[in-house]
Parts: sequence; structure tokens; C-alpha cells
Amino acid sequence: GDSVTQTEGLVTLTEGLPVMLNCTYQSTYSPFLFWYVQHLNEAPKLLLKSFTDNKRPEHQGFHATLHKSSSSFHLQKSSAQLSDSALYYCALSDQNNYAQGLTFGLGTRVSVFP
Amino acid sequence: AQTIHQWPVAEIKAVGSPLSLGCTIKGKSSPNLYWYWQATGGTLQQLFYSITVGQVESVVQLNLSASRPKDDQFILSTEKLLLSHSGFYLCAWSLGGLFAEQFFGPGTRLTVL
Repeated sequence: GDSVTQTEGLVTLTEGLPVMLNCTYQSTYSPFLFWYVQHLNEAPKLLLKSFTDNKRPEHQGFHATLHKSSSSFHLQKSSAQLSDSALYYCALSDQNNYAQGLTFGLGTRVSVFP
Repeated sequence: AQTIHQWPVAEIKAVGSPLSLGCTIKGKSSPNLYWYWQATGGTLQQLFYSITVGQVESVVQLNLSASRPKDDQFILSTEKLLLSHSGFYLCAWSLGGLFAEQFFGPGTRLTVL
């Protein structure tokens, strides 16, 4: 079955440093990948999604590239801000589960310190 | 524009009491609907999904049930709450299909004492 793996449970870093969150997946078909961000006491919001035309999606300084060869969709930002402290989920959609919806990873909590 | 509303915003209930949480989506016809649960500090756990009125599929039950009485309404309920039911309940919708991202409601914070 489909699965999404986020290897880091917690990432702590200093403001201004780069951040990369890992996301790898297993899927029988060619999936679409998503990143969601959840700030404290709020609902998850869509941050990025993969495109079909090899464009690199970017939003709020974050970007991610879908690498089918390595089954990865890592999230990156060149300079972290205090407001980036949140829980980040990687998720996938493919032909196996488009009724059930997205398959989410366990999430990575990011804490940015001054 | 589509809006998703959840009620109540927060609830404090006693163990063994009944519960009903609601979700409505306006501005979208026949959306796919989802219920998620999130323990405090925990990860998202999908509970139920529905692709049409009257039909609900269970992913993880946790002694809860769900119903979709109307196209734009999704209800989560139980007759007897457990302490383990405490957490954050999120409703989400999507258009379905391969490309369809999910959009989450504001959530209901449940505390069971």
C-alpha cells in the first residue's frame, strides 16, 4: 500500500539558517505529493503541491522538488523565520486512494529559535 | 467561495457522555468529506471519509461513528465518550480525484474529563 515517511520528528534550528524536511514515499502509481503546515491550535493548510510539468512549486519561501527516481519530495527553505515554527506534513495522492483521500506522513515539528 | 464550518469550536464532556460534532461545507457541490483526529501534540489520524450522501467509510473507528445526512454535512458521534477521545477533530473536504488537495476546517477541541 501507499506510505509516506518523514524521518525527522523534530527539527530545531536558529533563525536565518536553512531548513530541509525529508519526505519519501511508496506508491504503486505515479503519485502527486503535497506539503501541509499546521501552526499551533490551527488547522493544517496546504503549503505546496507537486506539478505534472516539472515546475518547482514555491510558496512563502519554501520549495520542494519531486524526484521520482528516489521517491522523494523534500521541503526546503534557505532562511528559516520564527514564524515557520509549526508542524509540517507530507502527503500523497494516487490512483490507489483518491476516494479515501491523502495519505499523510507522521509529521515533522519545526522549532525556530532566535 | 467555499467555506467549511465546524461546530462546536470546543467542548468539555464527561466520560460516558454522548458526543456529536458537525461539519458543513458551503459553495461546493458533492465534495468528498473526511474526519481526522489529532491527539494533543500528535499526528493526524484519518477516521472516516465519504464520497456521497448516505455513504461513509471507516478508516479507524476509535469507538466513533460518522454519518452524512446531507450533501454538505458530515457528523461525527459516539454514545459513550472515553478519555482517549480527547483531542482535536478536523473535518476536511476535497473535490476528489487524483489532483485533489484537501481543505481543512477550523477544528473542534474536545476535552473529556
